[in-house]
Amino acid sequence: KAGVTQTPRYLIKTRGQQVTLSCSPISGHRSVSWYQQTPGQGLQFLFEYFSETQRNKGNFPGRFSGRQFSNSRSEMNVSTLELGDSALYLCASSLGLEIPGQFFGPGTRLTVL
Amino acid sequence: LAKTTQPISMDSYEGQEVNITCSHNNIATNDYITWYQQFPSQGPRFIIQGYKTKVTNEVASLFIPADRKSSTLSLPRVSLSDTAVYYCLVGAAALNYGGSQGNLIFGKGTKLSVKP
Repeated sequence: KAGVTQTPRYLIKTRGQQVTLSCSPISGHRSVSWYQQTPGQGLQFLFEYFSETQRNKGNFPGRFSGRQFSNSRSEMNVSTLELGDSALYLCASSLGLEIPGQFFGPGTRLTVL
Repeated sequence: LAKTTQPISMDSYEGQEVNITCSHNNIATNDYITWYQQFPSQGPRFIIQGYKTKVTNEVASLFIPADRKSSTLSLPRVSLSDTAVYYCLVGAAALNYGGSQGNLIFGKGTKLSVKP
């Protein structure tokens, strides 16, 4: 089976812009989780989707949003980018029958200038 | 919310057994404990998961005492390629397990350095 794929792998944006990141889970997996990783804060949970419904949300401002499509693919959007949003954004998928996030993608490296 | 505490770093030598302990005093009844390994510029990789007592797979063992307030990841005979950051995660199980559905919180991670 193909692993979790994320696009794009690298992205450079400027403050105030918005960005959309995409994640395709492993075939058959219905749960998708998103995480932000920075050197200072480590891995932080953003949100989790299961069957197109958000069922878990971390402590991030409303500028961070996401959605999941009927084919389980997921997107996350960050509006009004700030310098502090520069991070590695990781997507993880699971069957949904156990703890989410067991299979991680390679991540999208977002740099905000 | 179950928060975790791990040592920031550990050093070891090839061939030794490494034990990394994670504290999670506020673990909820339905929370599972999961450990991940992460190499630079890569996503975390699942190592092992458990609920109580001991779990063993081909990569590691996970020891969980009866009170579940801590857990210990044991890596037998480490090699240079085991140099990585190891994360302890305590979180709810899926809806069909009746989990608490609280936030999933990673620890800060333990940077393991294996020397020759």
